Amino acid sequence: DADVTQTPRNRITKTGKRIMLECSQTKGHDRMYWYRQDPGLGLRLIYYSFDVKDINKGEISDGYSVSRQAQAKFSLSLESAIPNQTALYFCATSDGDGTDTQYFGPGTRLTVL
Amino acid sequence: ILNVEQSPQSLHVQEGDSTNFTCSFPSSNFYALHWYRWETAKSPEALFVMTLNGDEKKKGRISATLNTKEGYSYLYIKGSQPEDSATYLCAFIGGGSYIPTFGRGTSLIVHP
Repeated sequence: DADVTQTPRNRITKTGKRIMLECSQTKGHDRMYWYRQDPGLGLRLIYYSFDVKDINKGEISDGYSVSRQAQAKFSLSLESAIPNQTALYFCATSDGDGTDTQYFGPGTRLTVL
Repeated sequence: ILNVEQSPQSLHVQEGDSTNFTCSFPSSNFYALHWYRWETAKSPEALFVMTLNGDEKKKGRISATLNTKEGYSYLYIKGSQPEDSATYLCAFIGGGSYIPTFGRGTSLIVHP
């Protein structure tokens, strides 16, 4: 079984809809991250959490919110989806051992029409 | 926002060619530099982490070097094979925030 899972894997939604992307991990890591990938732009950090009570904005947090329900779960919400949020979204974890190697989930491809 | 640059953006080589690409990052407040390999339809996977100036890491035909004083890292692939085709990402971690800033990646295509 994968250590970092994301649901759904693909989602098509309409402008204005609320959508939640979920991430679960079995690695026992405290740190979790949400990134989005757009062609030609690499991975950009949306939000990150260093433990259950710690939530921080990343480079591009506008239009997004997150919830850290437990050490193993970190959800990303789009309150009112817009077309320029169409992207590939990755969840990642790290163990905070100092070098913080990122372990990525399989990604969620989101299309906002 | 930290400036992490990768060059070239894309690269086409023939099987058997050796190749290299560059990651440039801020030369101050360095903490760690990661390289990831990202195959199409998969997730990025860690290749190397480097923390000390002068570090050299090697895994099979792939190696990396680090110069923190001038702010760059090189990734080398010796004798490229079609299975090396992927996007190679670098991620800089600074001592202030301890969160990664990714470059845009170098897309490598190795032709048989």
